[in-house]
Amino acid sequence: ILNVEQSPQSLHVQEGDSTNFTCSFPSSNFYALHWYRWETAKSPEALFVMTLNGDEKKRGRISATLNTKEGYSYLYIKGSQPEDSATYLCAYFNDYKLSFGAGTTVTVRA
Amino acid sequence: EPEVTQTPSHQVTQMGQEVILRCVPISNHLYFYWYRQILGQKVEFLVSFYNNEISEKSEIFDDQFSVERPDGSNFTLKIRSTKLEDSAMYFCASSGFSGNLDEQFFGPGTRLTVL
Repeated sequence: ILNVEQSPQSLHVQEGDSTNFTCSFPSSNFYALHWYRWETAKSPEALFVMTLNGDEKKRGRISATLNTKEGYSYLYIKGSQPEDSATYLCAYFNDYKLSFGAGTTVTVRA
Repeated sequence: EPEVTQTPSHQVTQMGQEVILRCVPISNHLYFYWYRQILGQKVEFLVSFYNNEISEKSEIFDDQFSVERPDGSNFTLKIRSTKLEDSAMYFCASSGFSGNLDEQFFGPGTRLTVL
């Protein structure tokens, strides 16, 4: 069982503020790290698939960085909006399977 | 936009009964997965499927579980004799050509309740 940890478990952000949270994963035999956004009553939606150490990916106001040597990834939300409220899951991919963290639930207050 | 669909959205069954959960992956995808989430717990991997055979399965996926792609479009998960602890949200996912390098597209889930 691969240990994928996310922190914090939840956070509240004022609209317009920026925030970030972390995912830690095994640094050995790294293959890929996925980030998903999961809104209530919807399917998890892929944000990023990251494979290279030092990689940084961006999608609108959301970006992610990857450090495979130390086994962590950060997800950043710039200028949070109410529609960013969701649970953000990271998942470590190897051996044809994703091992998920428990998620960080973000609530953006207007 | 293509999407993964799952039926039924909610299934209630008696302990010991067989259930079949159905999924229609995105049509040109090659890799298929089942995950589940027991209430309050992490999403857990069950099984991955490629080229008409299981690629990987977790320790959860014991002899009571099986998967099938019977007709080139549906991807099913069968639980032969359900237990109370099988109650969970079951998600199907599919991905494209690169498997490990591709994002996975998730269906909306089937909530299974075993009484």
